[in-house]
Amino acid sequence: SQTIHQWPATLVQPVGSPLSLECTVEGTSNPNLYWYRQAAGRGLQLLFYSVGIGQISSEVPQNLSASRPQDRQFILSSKKLLLSDSGFYLCAWRRPGTGLTYEQYFGPGTRLTVT
Amino acid sequence: AQKITQTQPGMFVQEKEAVTLDCTYDTSDPSYGLFWYKQPSSGEMIFLIYQGSYDQQNATEGRYSLNFQKARKSANLVISASQLGDSAMYFCAMIGATNAGKSTFGDGTTLTVKP
Repeated sequence: SQTIHQWPATLVQPVGSPLSLECTVEGTSNPNLYWYRQAAGRGLQLLFYSVGIGQISSEVPQNLSASRPQDRQFILSSKKLLLSDSGFYLCAWRRPGTGLTYEQYFGPGTRLTVT
Repeated sequence: AQKITQTQPGMFVQEKEAVTLDCTYDTSDPSYGLFWYKQPSSGEMIFLIYQGSYDQQNATEGRYSLNFQKARKSANLVISASQLGDSAMYFCAMIGATNAGKSTFGDGTTLTVKP
């Protein structure tokens, strides 16, 4: 069966500090991978999307970046955090391809507070 | 562009009663998929049910059913026989045929089941 891991679960970082959030998927190959951010009580904002190693699509201009160094590893980074980067970050995977019937599977999330 | 609108920020339902969560969508894609996800207070997103734009019948999964009205562009989630464990945030989402598997999410509805 497939599983998705995210770490850390919670993080408190000062403004201007770097960020690295990691997501790994087990039990599947060549998944589509996603990073979302969720503000309190709001919906999900798609940040980055990847269909393969080294292939990253950015959806929203920001001071965040993403990388996919391995097939089942997706990393969200920042060189200098802003207060507005606070939120709940969710990683998700989906079966490869563009089939409309494929649901997404989400990790447990990382709650980031920038102070 | 795609848009999902969930007009009910919060809903209350008595235990064992049915409840309908509203979702309307807008897309120019001729083919699309509609999804509902549940997010308990723990934060993890859980897939509930899927409806394809060309499906002739409304989707059902246990106590969940999707009331799909294509002409009205609505995809309401019906939960029958509500349970206390159904208290959570519920998100409607869609994927269009032309957007390479990227989901658009609504802002969600918080459902509270009263004993």
